[in-house]
Amino acid sequence: AQSVTQLGSHVSVSEGALVLLRCNYSSSVPPYLFWYVQYPNQGLQLLLKYTTGATLVKGINGFEAEFKKSETSFHLTKPSAHMSDAAEYFCAVSVAGGSYIPTFGRGTSLIVHP
Amino acid sequence: GAGVSQSPSNKVTEKGKDVELRCDPISGHTALYWYRQSLGQGLEFLIYFQGNSAPDKSGLPSDRFSAERTGGSVSTLTIQRTQQEDSAVYLCASSPTVQKNSPLHFGNGTRLTVT
Repeated sequence: AQSVTQLGSHVSVSEGALVLLRCNYSSSVPPYLFWYVQYPNQGLQLLLKYTTGATLVKGINGFEAEFKKSETSFHLTKPSAHMSDAAEYFCAVSVAGGSYIPTFGRGTSLIVHP
Repeated sequence: GAGVSQSPSNKVTEKGKDVELRCDPISGHTALYWYRQSLGQGLEFLIYFQGNSAPDKSGLPSDRFSAERTGGSVSTLTIQRTQQEDSAVYLCASSPTVQKNSPLHFGNGTRLTVT
């Protein structure tokens, strides 16, 4: 079975600073990886996804993530944080053996200070 | 276009009562998912529907939970004899197909509070 671990339930950065949200996965078969963002009182929205091909994936709002098979990681980064980036971020994995039903991590709350 | 619609947005119920939560997926989406989001617990998979196939109920936490999807569209999640531990946000999502790279489109959720 697949699983996802997000290190750090809360990450705090200053506006303009680098954002790094960590995600590690566990899967015995090639995974498909996703990052979603959730703003208060809203559902989740897709930020970016990795399926096959290029390991560096660019998403919306200036976010990107790199799939590193050797490290079983899919960390999310953004060079410069904006106040509007404050939200909950979820990493998810789906695999063939799991009928492609996504398994989500526990989420990381990003706090951006002025 | 219209997104995934869930109703009600908030529901307060007394312990022991039954509740029904509704999800209206994006038109044409064949896959429909229910997840439960509890504070600090992330998203917990509950049940999955794909077209006319038998649903995957492997995530339902107890036999008090059930769901159906009528006509391949609207879905209802029913919780019988609610308990306080059922308090959570229930999220519905749909996707066009069951393809491996097909992302989920989420509704805004139903916040259930059991008193």
